[in-house]
Amino acid sequence: DTGVSQDPRHKITKRGQNVTFRCDPISEHNRLYWYRQTLGQGPEFLTYFQNEAQLEKSRLLSDRFSAERPKGSFSTLEIQRTEQGDSAMYLCASSPSLGRSSYNEQFFGPGTRLTVL
Amino acid sequence: TQLLEQSPQFLSIQEGENLTVYCNSSSVFSSLQWYRQEPGEGPVLLVTVVTGGEVKKLKRLTFQFGDARKDSSLHITAAQPGDTGLYLCAGVPNSGNTGKLIFGQGTTLQVKP
Repeated sequence: DTGVSQDPRHKITKRGQNVTFRCDPISEHNRLYWYRQTLGQGPEFLTYFQNEAQLEKSRLLSDRFSAERPKGSFSTLEIQRTEQGDSAMYLCASSPSLGRSSYNEQFFGPGTRLTVL
Repeated sequence: TQLLEQSPQFLSIQEGENLTVYCNSSSVFSSLQWYRQEPGEGPVLLVTVVTGGEVKKLKRLTFQFGDARKDSSLHITAAQPGDTGLYLCAGVPNSGNTGKLIFGQGTTLQVKP
């Protein structure tokens, strides 16, 4: 397995447009996470899934953001009516179930860099 | 809200020097992870510390978890230009069944040849 993959790697869009990002986790991992990282800062948690269930959402995840993981494999993150403040790196991570890793070690993809003009 | 404060935020040193990065909180974490991130890439896991007082070594990197599991440090011996990058600590909150990691703001390290 080659690790967590994300697509696209870069996205430039105009304010007001909708964008969708995809994440493919490590195949045997049933937990999937989304984070947002702005320049010079650490990642901030957005949401996470265990299989297809979305178990936790941050207050950072406004109504314009929606994440899905319909079959418990890949996930999508959609941002509607993008704003300039949405410009950031969007990171996806995956981890085994807590039964296999009690320490919640998460393995990150390369990220999608979003620029909203 | 649990927070992790990293210091220093920026560090520029010469090859061969030693350095220490600190990660502090007023909250207890059940475990703490250190990541390294290159520009334009995702963080890469270096180590996980779990037990209070635990020390782990990874070649020239030494990681320590505080006795009370509220703080951690990363010490690099004889830094090399290849160590350049953003170092992030991330904690697993001790309270409740949450999936999230709480990240510090990161320490940007530049090692000059």
